[in-house]
Amino acid sequence: DTAVSQTPKYLVTQMGNDKSIKCEQNLGHDTMYWYKQDSKKFLKIMFSYNNKELIINETVPNRFSPKSPDKAHLNLHINSLELGDSAVYFCASAPGSTDTQYFGPGTRLTVL
Amino acid sequence: GENVEQHPSTLSVQEGDSAVIKCTYSDSASNYFPWYKQELGKGPQLIIDIRSNVGEKKDQRIAVTLNKTAKHFSLHITETQPEDSAVYFCAALTSGTYKYIFGTGTRLKVLA
Repeated sequence: DTAVSQTPKYLVTQMGNDKSIKCEQNLGHDTMYWYKQDSKKFLKIMFSYNNKELIINETVPNRFSPKSPDKAHLNLHINSLELGDSAVYFCASAPGSTDTQYFGPGTRLTVL
Repeated sequence: GENVEQHPSTLSVQEGDSAVIKCTYSDSASNYFPWYKQELGKGPQLIIDIRSNVGEKKDQRIAVTLNKTAKHFSLHITETQPEDSAVYFCAALTSGTYKYIFGTGTRLKVLA
């Protein structure tokens, strides 16, 4: 009964490839997020969706495109992967945009 | 822009001793401050939070204090145990944009 799940857990790929990470929450939350955690453990928000609508879009290259097919899912598609995209990507969800967030287990992306 | 500073970056304590981690935030209108624990290979998990209408909150061995005037809040862990070893993050919810700004993390090691 995982609350926030992400697939895959590990992703190793070559530079220039396109890849997607999927996130699902079964908590009935309205708000979902994508965060990037770099090698120094810094956690930085990338995107936030509320009821399938984009509400936060940080300064992220447009190679990153989030998609929310319904409010329980928020996927992250990355085009033309670069070495600097290597990081752990966390999905999170919350009842609303001012409520406590619950994080998924993370996806470790390695770009070779 | 908004900023959250967290200190120390690493902290080693003997089992049974107390640990204190401090954070300072820049947005004086921030009103919600969660603390997360991140174990190796896992996503951050909420351990305690505080809203700006209270100055202190306690949950068994964990407590958080908030000083709104000084714009800082602290995590206190008493009677530390080896399983408390992890990376701890503070966060502040910014006003207006409703996004969380995370501190840079504290790696806590509890020595048996």
